[in-house]
Amino acid sequence: GAGVSQTPSNKVTEKGKYVELRCDPISGHTALYWYRQSLGQGPEFLIYFQGTGAADDSGLPNDRFFAVRPEGSVSTLKIQRTERGDSAVYLCASSLMEGGEQYFGPGTRLTVT
Amino acid sequence: AQSVTQLGSHVSVSEGALVLLRCNYSSSVPPYLFWYVQYPNQGLQLLLKYTTGATLVKGINGFEAEFKKSETSFHLTKPSAHMSDAAEYFCAVSKSNTGKLIFGQGTTLQVKP
Repeated sequence: GAGVSQTPSNKVTEKGKYVELRCDPISGHTALYWYRQSLGQGPEFLIYFQGTGAADDSGLPNDRFFAVRPEGSVSTLKIQRTERGDSAVYLCASSLMEGGEQYFGPGTRLTVT
Repeated sequence: AQSVTQLGSHVSVSEGALVLLRCNYSSSVPPYLFWYVQYPNQGLQLLLKYTTGATLVKGINGFEAEFKKSETSFHLTKPSAHMSDAAEYFCAVSKSNTGKLIFGQGTTLQVKP
C-alpha cells in the first residue's frame, strides 16, 4: 500500500517568503508527526497531531511555524517570513494510533536563500 | 527530559566484521527505545524497538539491540557487516504514551570491502 508522501520533495525560497509543506499520511493513521532534520543532525521533533488536534506543539521553534490537520488526514506545515536558518529537511511520519510505530515519509528539503 | 547520546559520529568496519553502534539515553520514565536506519536519499526505516518484556530485541537485516537499564544503554549490533549496511543510524527514545521521538545525532556506518 501507499506510504507517507510529502510534497514538494524540494523547495527553494527566498528569505522572508512564506512556504507550505504538505504531508499525506498512510490512510487510517490517526497520529501524525512533523520533525526537522538539519544537516548532520538527527531529526528534531516539531509537533504531533492526534486526529485533528495538535496534541503537542512544544517543538515548534517560534511563532513563525504553524501546522494544521483540519480533517484528521492531510497536514500542512506553514512557515512565515522564512529565514536561512530554516533550511533543513522536514520529515513527516504517521502511526496507526498515538504511540504506535511511526512510518516516515521521504521528506521535503527546504532551502532558504 | 529525555535525551539520547550516540557515541561516535562515524564508525568504519570491514565487511564481515562485527558492527557495534552505541546509544545511551536519559529518561525520567520507563522509555521506549528505537533504532532507525536512513539510506541515502531514502526515508527513515525502523530497524527494531524495545517497549517492554525481553531486553534483547531482534530487528530486520540481522540487527539486534539489548536494553540495559543499569547502564542506560541500547547498543545496536550485527555479527557480520555487509556492504549494504552502509547508512546513517539513529537511536531514539520516547515516552510510552505519545510516540514523540527524541533522536540522537546519528552514526554513519561505513563498510569497507
